[in-house]
Amino acid sequence: DVKVTQSSRYLVKRTGEKVFLECVQDMDHENMFWYRQDPGLGLRLIYFSYDVKMKEKGDIPEGYSVSREKKERFSLILESASTNQTSMYLCASQPGGGERSTEAFFGQGTRLTVV
Amino acid sequence: QQQVKQSPQSLIVQKGGISIINCAYENTAFDYFPWYQQFPGKGPALLIAIRPDVSEKKEGRFTISFNKSAKQFSLHIMDSQPGDSATYFCAASKGYGQNFVFGPGTRLSVLP
Repeated sequence: DVKVTQSSRYLVKRTGEKVFLECVQDMDHENMFWYRQDPGLGLRLIYFSYDVKMKEKGDIPEGYSVSREKKERFSLILESASTNQTSMYLCASQPGGGERSTEAFFGQGTRLTVV
Repeated sequence: QQQVKQSPQSLIVQKGGISIINCAYENTAFDYFPWYQQFPGKGPALLIAIRPDVSEKKEGRFTISFNKSAKQFSLHIMDSQPGDSATYFCAASKGYGQNFVFGPGTRLSVLP
């Protein structure tokens, strides 16, 4: 079974703190994604990566950055946490290669509260 | 053009009934349409998916109906069960390595 593991289920951070959210996948997938999920808005893409050291901005990258130093690990960084970044954060991975889209596998999510 | 619209926002169905969730898209380049199921406290998991070269796909009690000309697709859950109570997201993507565009989700409650 594919496993996507996010380092924390729940986090509480203070405004202005630098926050790291870690995600590890064990299936050698090329593609990895970070989404945030908010009620009524569905899943919105923050950043994604097709390969080590590669990153692409998604729909809502402001206030976030990412790091992918190893294929299996994709980190989301909140440079200076703000209360409007309180949300559920979901990491996903997807096999690369081929010409057509395939299934994405999600982690269990990290519920971040910024106070 | 990247948006995927989904309705209804919430749905209440009696046990044994049929649950229907609808989605619509604009971008004709989309080539993969998955439905994800999410239980509280869990990440979304793929339920069923379809490509635009077929009009229907069935897996057990779950069926996707796809209307390419109308740019619409829907999820039908037959004989709905309380265990189906979850949030359902439709999504779309185009081509290799492209990210998914998700609908806003439908919260389904199946009453015993």
